[in-house]
Amino acid sequence: ELKVEQNPLFLSMQEGKNYTIYCNYSTTSDRLYWYRQDPGKSLESLFVLLSNGAVKQEGRLMASLDTKARLSTLHITAAVHDLSATYFCAGRRTGTASKLTFGTGTRLQVTL
Amino acid sequence: DVKVTQSSRYLVKRTGEKVFLECVQDMDHENMFWYRQDPGLGLRLIYFSYDVKMKEKGDIPEGYSVSREKKERFSLILESASTNQTSMYLCASSLEAGQREKLFFGSGTQLSVL
Repeated sequence: ELKVEQNPLFLSMQEGKNYTIYCNYSTTSDRLYWYRQDPGKSLESLFVLLSNGAVKQEGRLMASLDTKARLSTLHITAAVHDLSATYFCAGRRTGTASKLTFGTGTRLQVTL
Repeated sequence: DVKVTQSSRYLVKRTGEKVFLECVQDMDHENMFWYRQDPGLGLRLIYFSYDVKMKEKGDIPEGYSVSREKKERFSLILESASTNQTSMYLCASSLEAGQREKLFFGSGTQLSVL
């Protein structure tokens, strides 16, 4: 059974600072997703990571995947207030088309 | 753009009522999902459908059933609503497109069972 753990659960950071959100998963997952959710809104897809060593970047966010360590990271560079949201990682259970297991989410608050 | 539409944004029901949550997608996706989202628990999969009339149980199917009579529509049914089913319900769809596959989510239905 695939389990996904994120930490921290809550992160308060100042604008301009860097930080990393960690996502560990318990067993083989053939891809790793990152989603963003704004308060009262639905989930928006950020990244899909498919293979060991995969790195994707968009703006101030960079996601990476280490399948050997069963770890994905979401790195935030020079945070801005607009990045305040809850971020979820999710693993796809191998051989079970499309069924994702989500982490509990990291609520990011960027203060001015 | 893909659109996944959930019929109600907020819903208040009484214990024991039969509740229907509707979801429609407009991109001809084969796969559709129902998740519930609770604080501190993230999203948990209730049911999944990979084709019309085909369904699979997710991680927490107890107390729920689903219906998929048409490809674009996936309904979640609470046979007899209970207070522990108060939650945010999210519908999603995806096209099995190999490496490009990702889920598109609806805006959610906040259900309160009193």
